[in-house]
Amino acid sequence: KAGVTQTPRYLIKTRGQQVTLSCSPISGHRSVSWYQQTPGQGLQFLFEYFSETQRNKGNFPGRFSGRQFSNSRSEMNVSTLELGDSALYLCASSLYPENYEQYFGPGTRLTVT
Amino acid sequence: KQEVTQIPAALSVPEGENLVLNCSFTDSAIYNLQWFRQDPGKGLTSLLLIQSSQREQTSGRLNASLDKSSGRSTLYIAASQPGDSATYLCAPSTGNQFYFGTGTSLTVIP
Repeated sequence: KAGVTQTPRYLIKTRGQQVTLSCSPISGHRSVSWYQQTPGQGLQFLFEYFSETQRNKGNFPGRFSGRQFSNSRSEMNVSTLELGDSALYLCASSLYPENYEQYFGPGTRLTVT
Repeated sequence: KQEVTQIPAALSVPEGENLVLNCSFTDSAIYNLQWFRQDPGKGLTSLLLIQSSQREQTSGRLNASLDKSSGRSTLYIAASQPGDSATYLCAPSTGNQFYFGTGTSLTVIP
């Protein structure tokens, strides 16, 4: 069974631009969570989607948004990029509600210049 | 807000040693706790998930224990190998939201 896939793997954007990242969960997983990882703040929870509905949201500004499609694939969008948004963005899927074990993708490395 | 602390922050051991990584968390009302490893620049690999009703889980050379009442978990690695070198992260969860510590960076010297 294929793992969690994320595209693109690397991205360079300029301040003020917007970006969309994509995540395809493991087949059969309907829950998708997004995390931001930076050297200073570590791993921080962004949001979680289940059956196309946002179930939980972390403490991030409204510039960070997401959505989930009927096939469980998810996208996150960051508008008006700031230098501080440079990070590794990780997506995880799980078999929630049957099982909470999180399986992570390889991440998208976003650099904002 | 759940605060997660991992001690030590870094650890260097010779190959073959047994070692213990510690994790403490402030809010004991958790559903599960999951241990991960992360190789440099890569995503997280799941090692073990301990459900709130369990006290420990084992997988190969790894054993993780959970004491919810005291807010502690430990990851025991037996007979360490150079391939175990990575950052180890613990993450207690409330539902499907996981809270991560800053990790323990492990180096196993051949």
